[in-house]
Amino acid sequence: QKEVEQNSGPLSVPEGAIASLNCTYSDRGSQSFFWYRQYSGKSPELIMFIYSNGDKEDGRFTAQLNKASQYVSLLIRDSQPSDSATYLCAVNTGSARQLTFGSGTQLTVLP
Amino acid sequence: SQTIHQWPATLVQPVGSPLSLECTVEGTSNPNLYWYRQAAGRGLQLLFYSVGIGQISSEVPQNLSASRPQDRQFILSSKKLLLSDSGFYLCAWSEPGQGYEQYFGPGTRLTVT
Repeated sequence: QKEVEQNSGPLSVPEGAIASLNCTYSDRGSQSFFWYRQYSGKSPELIMFIYSNGDKEDGRFTAQLNKASQYVSLLIRDSQPSDSATYLCAVNTGSARQLTFGSGTQLTVLP
Repeated sequence: SQTIHQWPATLVQPVGSPLSLECTVEGTSNPNLYWYRQAAGRGLQLLFYSVGIGQISSEVPQNLSASRPQDRQFILSSKKLLLSDSGFYLCAWSEPGQGYEQYFGPGTRLTVT
């Protein structure tokens, strides 16, 4: 069973702080890793993807990948109340470009 | 640019009634298409995926079925709904031959009563 694990939270951080979201995966053959943001009642929105070991930065978001440890993380700098959402980690598995999703981490940014 | 549509947005159906949810994608050709279900407070469960017209793969045995009658149309159906079919149904697409990124439609919230 190919799994993606996330801490369900909730994770609370004060406005302006760094939020750190973590994800581990079981399939060593996975090559592509994604972070989606899902606001309550809405569909998931792709915010970051990373294919290579190391860091990838996009604005206030940084994705970090360590394939040896089978670990991927998302850092949100200068967190804003509008960042309050559930963050889903996804990893490619199988054929037909399938993704396996974690159950998500609920983030609350406190004003 | 590509857009993905789903309808209806919300649906309340009695147990035992049929179901038909529709998803269409614009601005791309021969996309990979996916149906997911998200139960309340849970992660995404892949139900079906399709790599082309008439090609459907099922991930989870259930009373649901999927069809792809046209290149950019994906339909989720059931002949008789169960209470356990309630949830948030999401359609997604990805570009064939490119990365693995999937993009989601707005979803259909189904309540079976």
